[in-house]
Amino acid sequence: KQEVTQIPAALSVPEGENLVLNCSFTDSAIYNLQWFRQDPGKGLTSLLLIQSSQREQTSGRLNASLDKSSGRSTLYIAASQPGDSATYLCAVGDMRFGAGTRLTVKP
Amino acid sequence: KAGVTQTPRYLIKTRGQQVTLSCSPISGHRSVSWYQQTPGQGLQFLFEYFSETQRNKGNFPGRFSGRQFSNSRSEMNVSTLELGDSALYLCASSTKLGLADYNEQFFGPGTRLTVL
Repeated sequence: KQEVTQIPAALSVPEGENLVLNCSFTDSAIYNLQWFRQDPGKGLTSLLLIQSSQREQTSGRLNASLDKSSGRSTLYIAASQPGDSATYLCAVGDMRFGAGTRLTVKP
Repeated sequence: KAGVTQTPRYLIKTRGQQVTLSCSPISGHRSVSWYQQTPGQGLQFLFEYFSETQRNKGNFPGRFSGRQFSNSRSEMNVSTLELGDSALYLCASSTKLGLADYNEQFFGPGTRLTVL
């Protein structure tokens, strides 16, 4: 059974810092991995989708990498802003989600 | 292009009642999945429908059921509500075709169900 873990559970950084969120999974036979953000009480917003054949995807200040062999993905956020404050979730294969990382960016 | 819509947005029910939630996917998306999100268990997969057929199912009791219509709109039903069913129910749609072909999923805003 696929287990997805996200570390850290919470992160607080000052505005402007670059940061990395981690996602690990136990079964490397995944089809893709998707990163989402969720604002309090809201639905999920898709950030990046990485297909199993890809190593990374970029969108603006976001870069996500995927290493299937080690069962890891990272989400890199450059020059963080207060508007980035949210919970970030990763989902693998058959949409098994990690518990998320709650990010707070302080002005 | 309109996003995924869910109705109602908020719902309050009492124990023992039943509830039906509705989800309209993005136009052209034939796959609709449902999730339950609670503070304790996080996001958990309920089931997925594709072309009016349930193709995948999570580990939830039979009180949770769903269906999909020919226009891809989907409903989920929870019978004999329990306090523990209080949660945010999210649906997502995608252009996923094959069972193992998970394309990008787009989520609706969710229905907040409170069971008293």
